[in-house]
Amino acid sequence: AQKVTQAQTEISVVEKEDVTLDCVYETRDTTYYLFWYKQPPSGELVFLIRRNSFDEQNEISGRYSWNFQKSTSSFNFTITASQVVDSAVYFCALSEGETSYDKVIFGPGTSLSVIP
Amino acid sequence: GAVVSQHPSWVICKSGTSVKIECRSLDFQATTMFWYRQFPKQSLMLMATSNEGSKATYEQGVEKDKFLINHASLTLSTLTVTSAHPEDSSFYICSARRPNSPLHFGNGTRLTVT
Repeated sequence: AQKVTQAQTEISVVEKEDVTLDCVYETRDTTYYLFWYKQPPSGELVFLIRRNSFDEQNEISGRYSWNFQKSTSSFNFTITASQVVDSAVYFCALSEGETSYDKVIFGPGTSLSVIP
Repeated sequence: GAVVSQHPSWVICKSGTSVKIECRSLDFQATTMFWYRQFPKQSLMLMATSNEGSKATYEQGVEKDKFLINHASLTLSTLTVTSAHPEDSSFYICSARRPNSPLHFGNGTRLTVT
């Protein structure tokens, strides 16, 4: 069975600090997809990244970076120089199977507060 | 722009009434849509997979007679909360498959049952 764990329930940082959100997943499949979504207070889900299980390259997108390590089943997300607008709940998610179109299971989420 | 539209954004209803929530894929055909439920400060829990032209597949613990799902066309899935009670108050979010693209989510419907 698939499972996603986000051990950090809430994190508070001061603006401009770097912050890493942890994600650990469990799956029996060799082919799977991992995602990060952002949910601001308004409620909509904002897609941040999708990574398949065969691509362990780390990725950087502006102030965002992701560290995928299959050996530890982790897919951590780092925000560099955090800003107040980064305050939101962040969900790590997992989809098993050949495509990323199968049902997506979400972790419990990490609530990030960036203090000015 | 948005590729999945969900309506209404919020609804307040009286206990015992039924509420219908619509999820539309705007510029693509979605053979499969997913319905999630999110309680305050909790994660999204998958309720069911909606399949066009066939019965929905419900997750364990979700009452199919309570949460009726109809996927009558390739661009529309509806979730009807029947005989709603205060404990059904929640944030309901739909999502749809789009070819060669991550899952797209609607903006959610906040249901309050009084």
